[in-house]
Amino acid sequence: NAGVMQNPRHLVRRRGQEARLRCSPMKGHSHVYWYRQLPEEGLKFMVYLQKENIIDESGMPKERFSAEFPKEGPSILRIQQVVRGDSAAYFCASSPQAQRNQPQHFGDGTRLSIL
Amino acid sequence: QKEVEQDPGPLSVPEGAIVSLNCTYSNSAFQYFMWYRQYSRKGPELLMYTYSSGNKEDGRFTAQVDKSSKYISLFIRDSQPSDSATYLCAMIFYNQGGKLIFGQGTELSVKP
Repeated sequence: NAGVMQNPRHLVRRRGQEARLRCSPMKGHSHVYWYRQLPEEGLKFMVYLQKENIIDESGMPKERFSAEFPKEGPSILRIQQVVRGDSAAYFCASSPQAQRNQPQHFGDGTRLSIL
Repeated sequence: QKEVEQDPGPLSVPEGAIVSLNCTYSNSAFQYFMWYRQYSRKGPELLMYTYSSGNKEDGRFTAQVDKSSKYISLFIRDSQPSDSATYLCAMIFYNQGGKLIFGQGTELSVKP
């Protein structure tokens, strides 16, 4: 399967711990997007990255959340000092270039549970 | 007011029925429109991707865009139990590459 790969699929953390979510885009895709889906809510945009650059982080909480997409390796969404409200499904999507003509393809998400 | 409004349902129909799913939006700057299908515990899967007003057909699915009314629809003909899923509309501004704005999603159940 050459689709968007996310791991882990499920992640359990205690309050105050750090969570690291990984996303490997589809082959040939250089644009990565992160979305969060809270229970009973739709998907909310968090951040848009290209290799080594953050293009749009308007949906990211100002504190505790960070994202990177290094030259080599997967994109990482990092949540420090997790709280109960961070429990959600986090989805990664990728596209080969900026959205206008190329739709985004999604992975199956990481379900984060905070104890 | 949300930028994109979508009735969350749930919507239940008998097998073989025609299903109509709808979204309205408030900002005329939205230019590209998508429909995604999401099965439980899975990621959204792209179904339809349209730009201009009018209809686009793909198999049993038809996407309709009416930019003058700020209204988009997805029609499913001859619905099957395997179509049971949550359907999400999404849209994007022309000059704001990357940021998809989603509706809340409509939960559809097709009964055999």
